Amino acid sequence: EAQVTQNPRYLITVTGKKLTVTCSQNMNHEYMSWYRQDPGLGLRQIYYSMNVEVTDKGDVPEGYKVSRKEKRNFPLILESPSPNQTSLYFCASWTGRPGNTIYFGEGSWLTVV
Amino acid sequence: GQQVMQIPQYQHVQEGEDFTTYCNSSTTLSNIQWYKQRPGGHPVFLIQLVKSGEVKKQKRLTFQFGEAKKNSSLHITATQTTDVGTYFCAGGNTDKLIFGTGTRLQVFP
Repeated sequence: EAQVTQNPRYLITVTGKKLTVTCSQNMNHEYMSWYRQDPGLGLRQIYYSMNVEVTDKGDVPEGYKVSRKEKRNFPLILESPSPNQTSLYFCASWTGRPGNTIYFGEGSWLTVV
Repeated sequence: GQQVMQIPQYQHVQEGEDFTTYCNSSTTLSNIQWYKQRPGGHPVFLIQLVKSGEVKKQKRLTFQFGEAKKNSSLHITATQTTDVGTYFCAGGNTDKLIFGTGTRLQVFP
């Protein structure tokens, strides 16, 4: 079954404590991306990756890091989380070919206190 | 930078009424995709439009892509409670798909 798996699904953490949200896809997709979803703002792209070791900033990259050491994995790193990073995060993957579908993970609810 | 706006932000309808959400881009789009997100769920792909003036139908859902490829609409005929959710349009290129702000649809039985 085609899947994008994120962990953790829910997390409450404190300001400044480094955390990583993992993302894994089993479809051999070249492209992966992280989005955050906030009320009234829709889905905003944080970072994306076109392939292994190739990443680029999205619209709201500040405060986040990513890496793409393997094709299937694309972790999102918050080195020093702040309360304004409290949000719902989605990982997504797709082939990059025209007409293809973006597959989303189930989401990770992150609260920074 | 490129922006994709969606209106309305919220829409409450009685079951059986029609519903339309509109998507407008500040730049010409190579394609536009539509997604549905059920409450508590993740966005799920509905359809992609590529050609200028294209119209596609999925049962009670009708999707249109404007002639100038800068706007799109989703129309639902005779809404049902199962249509509840947030509908997003997304446009752009292969690398950077810009999502609209979404329209949240509530259907009252």
